[in-house]
Amino acid sequence: GQNIDQPTEMTATEGAIVQINCTYQTSGFNGLFWYQQHAGEAPTFLSYNVLDGLEEKGRFSSFLSRSKGYSYLLLKELQMKDSASYLCAALYNQGGKLIFGQGTELSVKP
Amino acid sequence: DSGVTQTPKHLITATGQRVTLRCSPRSGDLSVYWYQQSLDQGLQFLIQYYNGEERAKGNILERFSAQQFPDLHSELNLSSLELGDSALYFCASSGLLAGVADTQYFGPGTRLTVL
Repeated sequence: GQNIDQPTEMTATEGAIVQINCTYQTSGFNGLFWYQQHAGEAPTFLSYNVLDGLEEKGRFSSFLSRSKGYSYLLLKELQMKDSASYLCAALYNQGGKLIFGQGTELSVKP
Repeated sequence: DSGVTQTPKHLITATGQRVTLRCSPRSGDLSVYWYQQSLDQGLQFLIQYYNGEERAKGNILERFSAQQFPDLHSELNLSSLELGDSALYFCASSGLLAGVADTQYFGPGTRLTVL
């Protein structure tokens, strides 16, 4: 199988930093996506990592280690509007088939 | 706004019926993907089309079928509907980057309720 594992839920405080981890199976792996999804809405694209290392995009950064089958999404200066589900998705075999994790429900508290 | 459109936004129907969901990809994207998202489940990949041809298949039931037309819009047909088919159905589209599928952008979804 191509299981994607990420924590079910996390809680953090407004203004803080939170790291959401994701592990995936490496066989046939091509790239790692992170999406944000508010309840009942469409997933929106946050980041795409193909190579090892950290990609920074404003308050959000994403890290990938291909050899370890590991990624994380880092959210800085948390805002209340960041409360959402964060989906980790792995691309396999170049064809476009994305395998999604169950999502991490992040609650940002004042 | 992702540029991907889906109709209808909501659909309520009865068990045993058949429905058709429609998706128009972003301008220039040749690939279309369909996903199902139930309350207690993550996004489940159903099927992918590329320029009119089926490219990849996920856990799509035999009661479900899809196609992509020459103008690149796609339809997902769900038949003999069961209560368990109630879910959000998302369409996504992507282009190619150096021959590899690029970022998928999602439409707003169709919420299907089977009574």
